[in-house]
Amino acid sequence: NAGVMQNPRHLVRRRGQEARLRCSPMKGHSHVYWYRQLPEEGLKFMVYLQKENIIDESGMPKERFSAEFPKEGPSILRIQQVVRGDSAAYFCASSDSGNQPQHFGDGTRLSIL
Amino acid sequence: SQQGEEDPQALSIQEGENATMNCSYKTSINNLQWYRQNSGRGLVHLILIRSNEREKHSGRLRVTLDTSKKSSSLLITASRAADTASYFCATDAMGSGYALNFGKGTSLLVTP
Repeated sequence: NAGVMQNPRHLVRRRGQEARLRCSPMKGHSHVYWYRQLPEEGLKFMVYLQKENIIDESGMPKERFSAEFPKEGPSILRIQQVVRGDSAAYFCASSDSGNQPQHFGDGTRLSIL
Repeated sequence: SQQGEEDPQALSIQEGENATMNCSYKTSINNLQWYRQNSGRGLVHLILIRSNEREKHSGRLRVTLDTSKKSSSLLITASRAADTASYFCATDAMGSGYALNFGKGTSLLVTP
C-alpha cells in the first residue's frame, strides 16, 4: 500500500523558470492538500483539492501559483516565473475524506538559483 | 493566527529517559494532532486528540489537551535513539476541518 508519492524529490530552477511539482495521493484517497515549509518554519497550508475541484486556495499566493487535481493523474502544483523566495520544501498530503488525519509525502525541495 | 507553538525549540536526552514537549495555540479548535518529521522526510502522523478529550495514549506516546489553557503536551516514554526527529503540533480551525496550522516544532535528540 504505497504512501503519498511526490516527485521530483529535489528540483532546481533559475529565476523566471517554471516549476511543476507532482503528487500522487495514497490509493483510495480523493482529497489532496499542499503545504509549504520554509527553513526553520512549520508547514503552511496552501491549497485543498478534491478530484477536479479546488476547495480552498486561501493559503496560496494569488499570482504565479496554481494547483490542479485532474480526474486522471497526479495533483500538480505549478509555480510560474519562480523567484528566490519560492525556495522551500513543498509537501503534499492526502486523506480519504475531509476528516483528519492527513498522510504526507516526503516533499519536493525546490531551490531557485 | 491560531498557529501552534511548540516548546522547547530543542531537547536533548539520553535513551531511556522521557521526553516532554508542549504546544500552545490561540483560538478554538476541533482537534489537535502531533506529527513527527525525520530530517529530509515528510511528516508522520502520531496521534490526534479531539477537543472534548483530555488525554490519549498510543504505545509510548501520551498526549494531553487542556482547552481552557489552549495547550497540549506530548510525552514520549522510555525514549530510543530512533525517536530523534522534529515534532510538530497541528491545530485544526473550527469550521475548516482540513487546513492544518503547524508550529515551528521541537527538535528532539536522543543519544545512546
